[in-house]
Amino acid sequence: GQNIDQPTEMTATEGAIVQINCTYQTSGFNGLFWYQQHAGEAPTFLSYNVLDGLEEKGRFSSFLSRSKGYSYLLLKELQMKDSASYLCAPHSGNTPLVFGKGTRLSVIA
Amino acid sequence: DVKVTQSSRYLVKRTGEKVFLECVQDMDHENMFWYRQDPGLGLRLIYFSYDVKMKEKGDIPEGYSVSREKKERFSLILESASTNQTSMYLCASSQSSGRLDEQFFGPGTRLTVL
Repeated sequence: GQNIDQPTEMTATEGAIVQINCTYQTSGFNGLFWYQQHAGEAPTFLSYNVLDGLEEKGRFSSFLSRSKGYSYLLLKELQMKDSASYLCAPHSGNTPLVFGKGTRLSVIA
Repeated sequence: DVKVTQSSRYLVKRTGEKVFLECVQDMDHENMFWYRQDPGLGLRLIYFSYDVKMKEKGDIPEGYSVSREKKERFSLILESASTNQTSMYLCASSQSSGRLDEQFFGPGTRLTVL
């Protein structure tokens, strides 16, 4: 099985930077996905990290440390539309993705 | 663009009814998945399929069955709906390509069982 831990809720101010952490324990680790899910909508792909380090994609960056079982999603220049849940999903072997319970981010003015 | 469609966005059924949730994907993906999503519990895998006619149990298969007669279509069946199956049901598909098993999700079906 897999243990995935991420904060339940976070609040941040428009224009600020927020970091959403995810720790996991899994065997046969391949890489880690981050998905974004707006309320009432389906999850959509944000990033996939295989190697250690930071990958930047516009305002969003994702970091992975394989040895520590740790990842974070960094959101810069926060906008109101970034209010959503962010799901961490470590990928193992040939098994289906297992998702964390998600971090609900509220961006306030 | 990959498109995953689900037959209904909202569905209301009575306890004991047989319920069919349909999912269709148009990108020739081999893998298809059914999840349910509940507040505080996150996404939980019900069943998945790696090929036509194949099915595998996920974490919470009890009370559900599935059918994959064609590659593009994966159906979730509630044999006798119960109130604890009230939930958001999400279908997803993916193409196994080694590097990336990115899953594409349908819009979801919010099922209420009365």
